[in-house]
Amino acid sequence: GENVEQHPSTLSVQEGDSAVIKCTYSDSASNYFPWYKQELGKGPQLIIDIRSNVGEKKDQRIAVTLNKTAKHFSLHITETQPEDSAVYFCAASTIGGSQGNLIFGKGTKLSVKP
Amino acid sequence: ETGVTQTPRHLVMGMTNKKSLKCEQHLGHNAMYWYKQSAKKPLELMFVYSLEERVENNSVPSRFSPECPNSSHLFLHLHTLQPEDSALYLCASSQAFSRVPYEQYFGPGTRLTVT
Repeated sequence: GENVEQHPSTLSVQEGDSAVIKCTYSDSASNYFPWYKQELGKGPQLIIDIRSNVGEKKDQRIAVTLNKTAKHFSLHITETQPEDSAVYFCAASTIGGSQGNLIFGKGTKLSVKP
Repeated sequence: ETGVTQTPRHLVMGMTNKKSLKCEQHLGHNAMYWYKQSAKKPLELMFVYSLEERVENNSVPSRFSPECPNSSHLFLHLHTLQPEDSALYLCASSQAFSRVPYEQYFGPGTRLTVT
């Protein structure tokens, strides 16, 4: 089955710097890769996603890149702000079998220091 | 109410108790999910309901029993739980899909502690 590895597990940056979180997946059939942000006491919130027919997607300060050949995808946050501090999860979706099978990474705790 | 709501937000129960978690989605979706979130582990999918039909994760113990009476409501019935079942239980919803996955939207979770 699908396996998603996420690195690093913790990341600390200065306000204004960029942050990059990387994920790798094992199932070449996966074609949907969302990123979620989880703040303390809240459920994960979808912040951006990418499908396998594109290589990059941007939304203001957030971008995601996908390399299907290498089976890895990354989240890039530019001009980080203290409110970006949270745990970020990547996921990959396997097609076929059970519907909705999002396989998640273990998460990255991002701390943005003012 | 908007989005996905879950009640209760916190629950403490003994190993012999029976309790239920409730989830309601206000997004017009027709697929709903239960996930378990434990410390230091990835989110684990427990159950999926799509168009009110259950797709089950075979590794979920029978002490967890889901119920989906309609496309807006989802329950997780709990009985004779173990301390290792203590975790954050998250509900999510999405549009049901055939071959293309749709975005999942999560509720705030129920923090469950089994004593």
